[in-house]
Amino acid sequence: GQQLNQSPQSMFIQEGEDVSMNCTSSSIFNTWLWYKQDPGEGPVLLIALYKAGELTSNGRLTAQFGITRKDSFLNISASIPSDVGIYFCAGQSSSGNTGKLIFGQGTTLQVKP
Amino acid sequence: DTEVTQTPKHLVMGMTNKKSLKCEQHMGHRAMYWYKQKAKKPPELMFVYSYEKLSINESVPSRFSPECPNSSLLNLHLHALQPEDSALYLCASSQGSPQGAPSPLHFGNGTRLTVT
Repeated sequence: GQQLNQSPQSMFIQEGEDVSMNCTSSSIFNTWLWYKQDPGEGPVLLIALYKAGELTSNGRLTAQFGITRKDSFLNISASIPSDVGIYFCAGQSSSGNTGKLIFGQGTTLQVKP
Repeated sequence: DTEVTQTPKHLVMGMTNKKSLKCEQHMGHRAMYWYKQKAKKPPELMFVYSYEKLSINESVPSRFSPECPNSSLLNLHLHALQPEDSALYLCASSQGSPQGAPSPLHFGNGTRLTVT
């Protein structure tokens, strides 16, 4: 079945550093989503991407939908302690009104003050 | 605060118990989902309801029984669960446009289930 390869698996960075993570797939997706999950909570949507080549920002976060529609990246600039958490990419391929969302394995981010 | 509300937040049940998880959204979304998430792993899809009809069942064991009483509510009935079913159960909703326009999923904070 479809799989998403998300990397890196974990990152430990200094406050103020920039962060980059990415997802790749062997299949084409129509939608790429990026979520952040804090302990004891559900995933929270950060950025949604709908068109190949689309570059979207949300505050310090920037994400891009790859031209081939098989990859996406998320950048976080000037990291702060509250950026700590697990970041998931997710791809959706169905054009119907409900499509299966395929998740990457997650990137665990730790920020040292 | 999430706009998808799940209750209870925590649940401990024995293997012979019957319990239900509840999910509610008032965003007018017409697609609702149940996901199961083990620690340090991504969410795994269990069921999808579209316009109150079950559209996807990911080969989930029958001891999990979903129900969608109306467009705002989604239940998951649990019976004769096993300890390995212990996990975070997440509900999500999306617009579910009949024209097929993509819409992101919005998740609740989940029910932490422990089966003893």
